[in-house]
Amino acid sequence: DAGVIQSPRHEVTEMGQEVTLRCKPISGHNSLFWYRQTMMRGLELLIYFNNNVPIDDSGMPEDRFSAKMPNASFSTLKIQPSEPRDSAVYFCASRALAGGGNEQFFGPGTRLTVL
Amino acid sequence: QQQVKQSPQSLIVQKGGIPIINCAYENTAFDYFPWYQQFPGKGPALLIAIRPDVSEKKEGRFTISFNKSAKQFSLHIMDSQPGDSATYFCAANQAFGNEKLTFGTGTRLTIIP
Repeated sequence: DAGVIQSPRHEVTEMGQEVTLRCKPISGHNSLFWYRQTMMRGLELLIYFNNNVPIDDSGMPEDRFSAKMPNASFSTLKIQPSEPRDSAVYFCASRALAGGGNEQFFGPGTRLTVL
Repeated sequence: QQQVKQSPQSLIVQKGGIPIINCAYENTAFDYFPWYQQFPGKGPALLIAIRPDVSEKKEGRFTISFNKSAKQFSLHIMDSQPGDSATYFCAANQAFGNEKLTFGTGTRLTIIP
């Protein structure tokens, strides 16, 4: 199993540009989470999906952030327009809702730098 | 009430020592308490987890101690090795009905040879 796949691994962009982060969860997992990690705020849950449906987006910082999960094998997190304070490592994690326990499997992350 | 408080923020221990990381929670509905380990440049990975029906769980050199009445749990690493140097996060959630994990702020552990 390839694990959770995220792309790109690194992204450097200029303020005001649109950024799209991509995630492929582990096959068979039906719960997907987007996290942001910074030194100041630690690991924050942004949004999570069950069976491709957004369940809780209360962690999404503002309207500039949006996330979609068009099918069970793909999700995107979009920031438009990006700002320097969005610089962070963004993680995607997936989990099996039934029979898989509570373990969330994290991807390697995307390091985003907004200049 | 959703917070999980973790301490210390950083910890330096000699090889062979027993680092201890502590967490406290407020939400009495929490019933699943995992510890995640994160190496630089990697995502967090589940290390060990406990449910509140037991007071201790061991997996290899890693032990979770759980005190339900105090709403506290801790991670102990026996015979610590330089390869254990990483950031450790405690977390908590309700095992059923709410998939959100509430994470502690992390402890950066360094094991000196």
